Amino acid sequence: DVKVTQSSRYLVKRTGEKVFLECVQDMDHENMFWYRQDPGLGLRLIYFSYDVKMKEKGDIPEGYSVSREKKERFSLILESASTNQTSMYLCASSPISGGPLSYNEQFFGPGTRLTVL
Amino acid sequence: GNSVTQMEGPVTLSEEAFLTINCTYTATGYPSLFWYVQYPGEGLQLLLKATKADDKGSNKGFEATYRKETTSFHLEKGSVQVSDSAVYFCALSSRNQGGKLIFGQGTELSVKP
Repeated sequence: DVKVTQSSRYLVKRTGEKVFLECVQDMDHENMFWYRQDPGLGLRLIYFSYDVKMKEKGDIPEGYSVSREKKERFSLILESASTNQTSMYLCASSPISGGPLSYNEQFFGPGTRLTVL
Repeated sequence: GNSVTQMEGPVTLSEEAFLTINCTYTATGYPSLFWYVQYPGEGLQLLLKATKADDKGSNKGFEATYRKETTSFHLEKGSVQVSDSAVYFCALSSRNQGGKLIFGQGTELSVKP
């Protein structure tokens, strides 16, 4: 079974802190994604990555950055946390587009609920 | 651009009732369509999928048919259970999106005993 793990289920940080959210997948997937989930807004894509050291902005990248130094690990960084970044953060991975699973099913981690005070 | 629209929730049903959650999409080309489910306190998991027109995805008693003529992918279940209480997301993926999923806003389902 594909497994996507996230470093924390719950996290509480203070305004201005630098926050790292870690995501690891064990299925050798090329693609990895970070979303945030807010009531009434569904899932919104923050950043994604097609390969090691590659990253692309999603729909709401402002205030975030990412790092992908190894294929299995994709980190989301909040450079200076703000209260409007309080949210549920979901990581996902998928095999490469056009491959055997070319319908692009994504596999999700359990999420990190971040509260910024 | 591509988009997905779901019926608004919350939807509240009694156990054994019939469920329909509407989903329509806008996309160029021939997208693949998905329903994901999120149980309380968990991440999303794939419920079912369809990759071409007239395909029917099914899983755990849920079904959805890919209707290109109406650009719809409605989720149905004949008899819901309390354990089906969750948030359901419709999503699409196109080859020109490079692996990205476009999600609807989610529909919360609450099933009462």
